[in-house]
Amino acid sequence: NAGVMQNPRHLVRRRGQEARLRCSPMKGHSHVYWYRQLPEEGLKFMVYLQKENIIDESGMPKERFSAEFPKEGPSILRIQQVVRGDSAAYFCASSPTEINTEAFFGQGTRLTVV
Amino acid sequence: QKEVEQNSGPLSVPEGAIASLNCTYSDRVSQSFFWYRQYSGKSPELIMSIYSNGDKEDGRFTAQLNKASQYVSLLIRDSQPSDSATYLCAVKPNDYKLSFGAGTTVTVRA
Repeated sequence: NAGVMQNPRHLVRRRGQEARLRCSPMKGHSHVYWYRQLPEEGLKFMVYLQKENIIDESGMPKERFSAEFPKEGPSILRIQQVVRGDSAAYFCASSPTEINTEAFFGQGTRLTVV
Repeated sequence: QKEVEQNSGPLSVPEGAIASLNCTYSDRVSQSFFWYRQYSGKSPELIMSIYSNGDKEDGRFTAQLNKASQYVSLLIRDSQPSDSATYLCAVKPNDYKLSFGAGTTVTVRA
């Protein structure tokens, strides 16, 4: 029973490039959350998705950031034209439903923008 | 007002003592409450969930929930050096967005 899988674990991008972060939820889970964590800081909510739907993207910057969770395949967090300030750990978590259920985290993707 | 607030750390306790962590939340209709542990450089790991008022015990961990006071706490009994980590309180209100506090760093002194 595989857990939440994120890849890549580490990603290095030059300023101006695109970063694509992938998250495969646990089997049977149809809800995905994305969070960003800067060093020595807490988890900042970015976006909450169900299959084929964005439920809440209130934490995601309006520009350069987008997220999707297609019917088939992993959830993707896409950052266009990366800047140094995008360097952070990006975590996704999945849960089976939205009500009274636990969310489990993947190992995270450490993005470094050089 | 922050959605989820935790008592400021760091918290240092001797081995074998009880570590007490506190958390308050702003959304009165919140239904689900969680404690996660995060070791440095690692991802958050779920250690407790609680949905009803009262206490819930799991091994050396006890979560306490008081919805009237909008307060949730975590007690770690017989603290071990391996408990040294940052503990994150998370709350899921009716809009289902899982919101986290800033975390409390616990250090258990051997």
